[in-house]
Amino acid sequence: SAVISQKPSRDICQRGTSLTIQCQVDSQVTMMFWYRQQPGQSLTLIATANQGSEATYESGFVIDKFPISRPNLTFSTLTVSNMSPEDSSIYLCSVFGPGLAVTDTQYFGPGTRLTVL
Amino acid sequence: DAKTTQPPSMDCAEGRAANLPCNHSTISGNEYVYWYRQIHSQGPQYIIHGLKNNETNEMASLIITEDRKSSTLILPHATLRDTAVYYCIVKGSYGKLTFGQGTILTVHP
Repeated sequence: SAVISQKPSRDICQRGTSLTIQCQVDSQVTMMFWYRQQPGQSLTLIATANQGSEATYESGFVIDKFPISRPNLTFSTLTVSNMSPEDSSIYLCSVFGPGLAVTDTQYFGPGTRLTVL
Repeated sequence: DAKTTQPPSMDCAEGRAANLPCNHSTISGNEYVYWYRQIHSQGPQYIIHGLKNNETNEMASLIITEDRKSSTLILPHATLRDTAVYYCIVKGSYGKLTFGQGTILTVHP
């Protein structure tokens, strides 16, 4: 199984500022995902990040608000830009791989708990 | 990917088997059934997955009906640490898990 770490584990930010969340995996993986979990809700996929290409965003999420980088096969960042209190959520990094077989398992990081004041 | 339906909550006594049902009546032939759980505010944890045969690992057993329209996750001897939200997800190829609301399982002494 893949071991995933995220930084920071939690943060409290002021509205209007931006926060960059880092995701590090202990092995090379093809696909990385970013999810958001709002308080009391289930997980919602923000975007899929593949190395060497632009991230693919789900409906309702845009690059200007959630820019993503994927510089190599073990690392990705998600930035939450121009934050408002509605962005208060847990942000989770997830990886799928190492291959693209349908039976490969998707693993999740511990999450970053963001509170926007 | 096919949609799943789960009861919003269930209770189980510690030491007893917890049987969590899931309906996925629109599942297609190449889609797998995955189960994850999320213990309070942690990242989801993979439990088990299957296609059409029953599966068992160190955490749980997965029973899939012959028509594949429903499945049951079985925790054989539930403990207090199994209290969590359990997600049943039907997934095709190339990842991208889509989460529903899941079942809140509460294990009580």
